[in-house]
Amino acid sequence: EPEVTQTPSHQVTQMGQEVILRCVPISNHLYFYWYRQILGQKVEFLVSFYNNEISEKSEIFDDQFSVERPDGSNFTLKIRSTKLEDSAMYFCASSSITGGAGDEQFFGPGTRLTVL
Amino acid sequence: TQLLEQSPQFLSIQEGENLTVYCNSSSVFSSLQWYRQEPGEGPVLLVTVVTGGEVKKLKRLTFQFGDARKDSSLHITAAQPGDTGLYLCAGDLSNTGNQFYFGTGTSLTVIP
Repeated sequence: EPEVTQTPSHQVTQMGQEVILRCVPISNHLYFYWYRQILGQKVEFLVSFYNNEISEKSEIFDDQFSVERPDGSNFTLKIRSTKLEDSAMYFCASSSITGGAGDEQFFGPGTRLTVL
Repeated sequence: TQLLEQSPQFLSIQEGENLTVYCNSSSVFSSLQWYRQEPGEGPVLLVTVVTGGEVKKLKRLTFQFGDARKDSSLHITAAQPGDTGLYLCAGDLSNTGNQFYFGTGTSLTVIP
């Protein structure tokens, strides 16, 4: 069964460093998403991406964040200068080609980012 | 301000009991999804409801979307220990499926 994969599973970085979180969405999906979940808190929408551009983004997704689809398979989230409060579980998700209401999003296993 | 409020936040019941989890908002959603999340893993989709008043059943789980598409409920009949987990609702504010907001979550524990 196709699944979303994410690497690394755990990333530890120093405050102020840049990190890139990687995701491989399901191959025939064209809509991609990033969410984060701070420990003990709810899952928060960051950004959605379609046709090589951002479709929607939340207020969390400020200038420190960027997303990219560098090739035909990877979808990345970059945090330019990490802060302590960026420590969280980051989930990638993808959905089917229609992108319509009610489309199922399939989530990856997440990357745990720890900023020291 | 929470866009989607879930209640209760924590629920601990005995095996065999029934329970209902609620997901409420003042916003209208084009669709609403229910997920279950295990510790250290990503959410796994249980169901999507799109039409106001829609009811969907998944074995012992019954999901209902409010007529005004502002709220939803998840009812579990005869809960089993395997139902233990974090249940999340997520609503799509857009019509394009591109902007999902998650609820606060309900942590369910079913005691054998």
